[in-house]
Amino acid sequence: EAQVTQNPRYLITVTGKKLTVTCSQNMNHEYMSWYRQDPGLGLRQIYYSMNVEVTDKGDVPEGYKVSRKEKRNFPLILESPSPNQTSLYFCASSPRHPGEQYFGPGTRLTVT
Amino acid sequence: QKEVEQDPGPLSVPEGAIVSLNCTYSNSAFQYFMWYRQYSRKGPELLMYTYSSGNKEDGRFTAQVDKSSKYISLFIRDSQPSDSATYLCAMRQDTGRRALTFGSGTRLQVQP
Repeated sequence: EAQVTQNPRYLITVTGKKLTVTCSQNMNHEYMSWYRQDPGLGLRQIYYSMNVEVTDKGDVPEGYKVSRKEKRNFPLILESPSPNQTSLYFCASSPRHPGEQYFGPGTRLTVT
Repeated sequence: QKEVEQDPGPLSVPEGAIVSLNCTYSNSAFQYFMWYRQYSRKGPELLMYTYSSGNKEDGRFTAQVDKSSKYISLFIRDSQPSDSATYLCAMRQDTGRRALTFGSGTRLQVQP
């Protein structure tokens, strides 16, 4: 089944404790991106990647890092999470930049 | 002012009604227009994808784009309780910055 998977789905952590949210797609898509979704603000792009080893900032990159060492994986790293990063995070992939996007199921992150 | 405006709703309609969902935008460079549907606790899924102005129909769904008014619509005919979800519009430019810009979503409730 063609899909985008994210792990974990739910995470509660404390301020400053580094965390990684994994994202993997099995559709051989070149383009991948991370979004956060907050009430009233919609989906905002954090980072995107057009291919392996090619990443760039989206609209709200502060406090986040990404890497793209393999085509299928695009992890999101929060080096020192803060409460304002409490949000619902989505990974997405697309066969074209940015084309139609296929979204993962989401990761709900709470930072206390 | 947001680049893409969307009424958050909720919009409550009886089963069988015709639903009209809308977005306005300010960036005249937007050329690609999309509608995503997001069920509760799920990632968005692509419903309709159109280029430039005009109409596109797919089953019970019709997407309209009026670039002169910077206004896009999604019509749902014979609405069903299973259509109850949040509908997000998204759009992007053809050149330059091609990341998607999302509306904040309209929550639709179809009452049986």
